[in-house]
Amino acid sequence: NAGVTQTPKFRILKIGQSMTLQCTQDMNHNYMYWYRQDPGMGLKLIYYSVGAGITDKGEVPNGYNVSRSTTEDFPLRLELAAPSQTSVYFCASSYSGLAGGLDTQYFGPGTRLTVL
Amino acid sequence: AQKITQTQPGMFVQEKEAVTLDCTYDTSDPSYGLFWYKQPSSGEMIFLIYQGSYDQQNATEGRYSLNFQKARKSANLVISASQLGDSAMYFCAMREHMEYGNKLVFGAGTILRVKS
Repeated sequence: NAGVTQTPKFRILKIGQSMTLQCTQDMNHNYMYWYRQDPGMGLKLIYYSVGAGITDKGEVPNGYNVSRSTTEDFPLRLELAAPSQTSVYFCASSYSGLAGGLDTQYFGPGTRLTVL
Repeated sequence: AQKITQTQPGMFVQEKEAVTLDCTYDTSDPSYGLFWYKQPSSGEMIFLIYQGSYDQQNATEGRYSLNFQKARKSANLVISASQLGDSAMYFCAMREHMEYGNKLVFGAGTILRVKS
């Protein structure tokens, strides 16, 4: 049981390049989330999904796109990378409505992205 | 308006002593949940403890306990018998309703350093 996995762990992009951050969970969770964490700050929600085919915007969606074709996978796409997107990106999943205890968010190890 | 406030950017504690990390929240929803996560220097997010708004007793998990004062809207994390491995960033988070489910709103975090 691997939990939530993310690839790559590190990446450097040039301004204007695009990339996809991969996220996979093997816990059969319905909900999946993408957060970004800027230095010294808390996490901010980019996009989330409540199941295959259903996604919605979070607090900071501009410059990103997502899709959810399967329960397991929730990739995050960066188009036209900008220095403001330099951050650590976390994927998370939860079974349901975050009722606490086991129904909390489980996080992947993060992807550290630098845009130069 | 800030939903989760962690007023202590950094804290020091002597090994084996107890420490309290502060968290205040703001919500008009009568049903809510509060979470604490630990983020060590390696970067992963580790779930520590959960408190539901209707829970009659303060939550406890091993050396972690939550001092929940509903009228004051505070949910402080207490770590007893601090260990060097407790040195990390600690985030308080609150469950918030979205259109298609729930998400976590995070505070800015508190850096804890345990001294030997």
